Amino acid sequence: QVQLVQSGAEVKKPGASVKVSCKASGYTFKNYAMHWVRQAPGQRLEWLGWINADNGNTKYSQHVQGRVIITTNTSASTAYMELSSLRSEDTAVYYCSRAHLTTVTMGHWGQGTLVTVSS
Amino acid sequence: QSALTQPASVSGSPGQSITMSCIGSSSDIGGYKFVSWYQHHPGRAPKLMIYDVTKRPSGVSNRFSGSKSGNTASLTISGLQAEDEADYYCSSYTTTSSLVFGGGTKLTVL
Repeated sequence: QVQLVQSGAEVKKPGASVKVSCKASGYTFKNYAMHWVRQAPGQRLEWLGWINADNGNTKYSQHVQGRVIITTNTSASTAYMELSSLRSEDTAVYYCSRAHLTTVTMGHWGQGTLVTVSS
Repeated sequence: QSALTQPASVSGSPGQSITMSCIGSSSDIGGYKFVSWYQHHPGRAPKLMIYDVTKRPSGVSNRFSGSKSGNTASLTISGLQAEDEADYYCSSYTTTSSLVFGGGTKLTVL
């Protein structure tokens, strides 16, 4: 079955960067896009961006454009989300999610990674 | 891209039906057949309940159904059960080739 296993919790200082990984199994990695979504405490889900795991094309939310980079290592079936210039508002649980039958739908989710930004 | 508009909360008794709305614009919901609904229990990963406006993934109960009219999408849950109590988020594809979520609706089963 499809499984997405994310890296562990992180604590970062303002201005630093964080890189969260998402290891996939149970399917052909290159055949599905991977999305990244976050949820700050008490806030709504926020879509951050996606990557075409076959050709590496990406699309990012305007809200984090310029600070986020999504990449993949297809040989390791792993996706990465790197967020730079961290600020306190970036404190959130970050999820990776594999596309469903349509690329724009998020069908399978990782367990989430808590990123805390604090001085 | 502004978030889609969802009511903050809805409630219903076990066995009843409820419908929650998700209001967007012609740049998102009104322009595409790519509306999804996600169930989110606190502390757990979200779960896909409806995609492409009306389709249910395998394993999702047929008590869940989706629809769309103009710029507004709706999720209906029939035969409410205690386990349905959760936050529900709508999502839509947009003209900027991105995705946008709604603010979320907290469903309380009385």
